[in-house]
Amino acid sequence: KQEVTQIPAALSVPEGENLVLNCSFTDSAIYNLQWFRQDPGKGLTSLLLIQSSQREQTSGRLNASLDKSSGRSTLYIAASQPGDSATYLCAAWGNQGGKLIFGQGTELSVKP
Amino acid sequence: NAGVTQTPKFRILKIGQSMTLQCTQDMNHNYMYWYRQDPGMGLKLIYYSVGAGITDKGEVPNGYNVSRSTTEDFPLRLELAAPSQTSVYFCASRTSTDNYGYTFGSGTRLTVV
Repeated sequence: KQEVTQIPAALSVPEGENLVLNCSFTDSAIYNLQWFRQDPGKGLTSLLLIQSSQREQTSGRLNASLDKSSGRSTLYIAASQPGDSATYLCAAWGNQGGKLIFGQGTELSVKP
Repeated sequence: NAGVTQTPKFRILKIGQSMTLQCTQDMNHNYMYWYRQDPGMGLKLIYYSVGAGITDKGEVPNGYNVSRSTTEDFPLRLELAAPSQTSVYFCASRTSTDNYGYTFGSGTRLTVV
């Protein structure tokens, strides 16, 4: 059974710092991996999708990598801003129906 | 382009009542999903559908039912509401190809008292 773990559960950094969020999964036979952002009381916003044949994706200040052999994905945020404060969720796509298995999330706080 | 629309946004139910959470998407996506999110937890899959007329159970289906009569709509039915069903419910959809990610609705916050 696929399990997804995110470490740390919470992170507080000063504005301008570069940071890395970690995601690990137990079954390397994932199809894709997707990172989401969730603001308090809101829905999920897709940030990056890494397909199984890819090793990384970039969007602006965000870079996500995927290493299926080690069961890890990282989300790198460059030059963090207070507006980046949110919960970040990673989700592994299963092979059957592409069902998402979510981690518990990392709550990020960027202090001005 | 509205994306995935969920109604209502908030609802309070009494134990034993029933209700339907509505979800509709205008992106012609074949795949639709219902997830629930409990405080401090990740999202768990309740039911999913790969097309009109086809539904299947996810990880936590007990106490819920779904139907998929059209491509656009995927309602979630709660029968005999229980306090354990207090949660935030998210509907999501995606295309049948894997090049694009999931699109989520804004959620329905349900409290059972």
